Amino acid sequence: NAGVTQTPKFRILKIGQSMTLQCTQDMNHNYMYWYRQDPGMGLKLIYYSVGAGITDKGEVPNGYNVSRSTTEDFPLRLELAAPSQTSVYFCASSGQGTYNEQFFGPGTRLTVL
Amino acid sequence: QKEVEQNSGPLSVPEGAIASLNCTYSDRGSQSFFWYRQYSGKSPELIMFIYSNGDKEDGRFTAQLNKASQYVSLLIRDSQPSDSATYLCAVNIWAGNQFYFGTGTSLTVIP
Repeated sequence: NAGVTQTPKFRILKIGQSMTLQCTQDMNHNYMYWYRQDPGMGLKLIYYSVGAGITDKGEVPNGYNVSRSTTEDFPLRLELAAPSQTSVYFCASSGQGTYNEQFFGPGTRLTVL
Repeated sequence: QKEVEQNSGPLSVPEGAIASLNCTYSDRGSQSFFWYRQYSGKSPELIMFIYSNGDKEDGRFTAQLNKASQYVSLLIRDSQPSDSATYLCAVNIWAGNQFYFGTGTSLTVIP
């Protein structure tokens, strides 16, 4: 099992550009999440999904969009990149139930200039 | 507002000592509690989880939970330089299976 994979690993965007961060998991998990982590800070939830076709906002959803057409994939879309979106983005997945841990992908380091 | 608070540190301990990391949470509906370790530039990895009051031990690591005080801690015995990392406390509230993270405690183990 590859677990949770993310692409790209690094990306530099200009202000106003758009991009999609890809996330795929092969553990058949229902729950998937997108977090951002700013330097010296914890993880902030952007969006999450409880299954294919179902998504919901987290703490910091502004400037982002998601979709979940399959169990495996959960892409994150940035439409108009802003310097405030410079961060490290982590995708995670978990099984259903209170005691299921989250498994994290390796992260995408995004810089918006 | 579901808050998870950690002492931000940095925390420095000598090699072989016990490192104590603390976490408090605000939501009494919290069901399970996780400790993740994050090395610089890497993704978080699970160390332990706990959901019942009391202690849970796994090797050099012990998690302690006190739901009445809304407090969870992680003890690292015989600390090693390889334990130097940021430790994130996470709380799971059984409502959509959301996890709430603290800002992390930076630990340095001095050889």
